[in-house]
Amino acid sequence: DSGVTQTPKHLITATGQRVTLRCSPRSGDLSVYWYQQSLDQGLQFLIQYYNGEERAKGNILERFSAQQFPDLHSELNLSSLELGDSALYFCASSVDREGSPLHFGNGTRLTVT
Amino acid sequence: AQSVTQPDIHITVSEGASLELRCNYSYGATPYLFWYVQSPGQGLQLLLKYFSGDTLVQGIKGFEAEFKRSQSSFNLRKPSVHWSDAAEYFCAVGAGAGNNRKLIWGLGTSLAVNP
Repeated sequence: DSGVTQTPKHLITATGQRVTLRCSPRSGDLSVYWYQQSLDQGLQFLIQYYNGEERAKGNILERFSAQQFPDLHSELNLSSLELGDSALYFCASSVDREGSPLHFGNGTRLTVT
Repeated sequence: AQSVTQPDIHITVSEGASLELRCNYSYGATPYLFWYVQSPGQGLQLLLKYFSGDTLVQGIKGFEAEFKRSQSSFNLRKPSVHWSDAAEYFCAVGAGAGNNRKLIWGLGTSLAVNP
């Protein structure tokens, strides 16, 4: 058990809809990362938050947004969903010191129909 | 440009055989290096990491990896593979410092184990 909790585990929704994915990091970890994993794109870094502030941005679409709350949990909002957004979305957390690893949740599987 | 290459997309080994998964990186300074494993339907689990010191690092589940600076490699090894080792393996390289720190991921190697 990594200590990172993601909800929901599965999500099925229609094109054009909006969904929110939730992540609770490991106790003590200030950094939260969001990744998208699909068969054709592999593991894609989306965005990182550190102690409530955006730290780094990766290949995140404008239709996607995220935030980290004062209690350090994070939400990833996906809007105007398209079929191609179907993927596994992972949250990871770390203490964000040099050399510190990421600890991953079990992911949310999003299916857009 | 910084990059991580896992040359083998898919590997099949027999149970009990030895295993080596390759990882090569391109980075100007000494990186910190990770191997992760992803079982079907699961998140990525850290197997081991190299940060500094002894270049041969031991991880969980009987895995080890060796950092070879001259070859820019961090290959993962296991002397005897178990059927439960069938999974996707990812190599990652930590680059940059401070607020510019980031992880660069390989595309993964899928391991199948024959009984």
